[in-house]
Amino acid sequence: QSVLTQPPSVSGAPGQRVTISCTGSSSNIGAPFDVHWYQRLPGTPPKLLIYYNSRRPSGVPDRFSGSKSGTSASLAITGLQAEDEADYYCQSYDSSLSGSVFGTGTKVTVL
Amino acid sequence: EVQLLESGGGLVQPGGSLRLSCAASGFTFKNYAMTWVRQAPGKGLEWVSSISGSGDRTYYADSVKGRFTISRDESKNTMYLQVNSLRAEDTALYYCAKSGTRSEALDFYYFDYWGQGTLVTVSA
Repeated sequence: QSVLTQPPSVSGAPGQRVTISCTGSSSNIGAPFDVHWYQRLPGTPPKLLIYYNSRRPSGVPDRFSGSKSGTSASLAITGLQAEDEADYYCQSYDSSLSGSVFGTGTKVTVL
Repeated sequence: EVQLLESGGGLVQPGGSLRLSCAASGFTFKNYAMTWVRQAPGKGLEWVSSISGSGDRTYYADSVKGRFTISRDESKNTMYLQVNSLRAEDTALYYCAKSGTRSEALDFYYFDYWGQGTLVTVSA
């Protein structure tokens, strides 16, 4: 069981905005260690979407944004598109475990 | 162009061993930490192990500590994961990933490039 909790699924119509939460604790996100986000399309390896809480790698559309507050972080997708249908994972470091940790994962469905 | 190519997976009996490899190209290998992440069937991503760019710092998830050993060979631009005493719960697709930072400290690691993965199946 991961120490970073995400909702199992979120959904939205094309063009809408959806957010994915990543809830941790004082030993990880709240410590405060940085949060990173990955997108995993079916049959492909994970792709870095957001690093250091809110930075976007080159090539990632600005429809994707990240934020962090206290012991939680969020990934927002605005202008939802069919190609955004994928699994999304947050990642951070946990001092109690002395290791990197991933969130439980969220499946985004475009209605 | 950064490329990561894993190999070495396969079907192995419980208690068996394998050596996974990750051949890297397209970047200065010695400057970046490398990591193994796995995904069991129907499950989420699980961090397994990381090794610093210098190779002198290694980190392991509790679930594999004492059974798995991570290493790297700068002359071959390759990272390895020796997996011993395999259990059914180690069945997963194993990805290698490159750190996006040159930091040696695990708490700064994030993963900017990933390989396609190599499948390890532990079954009698």
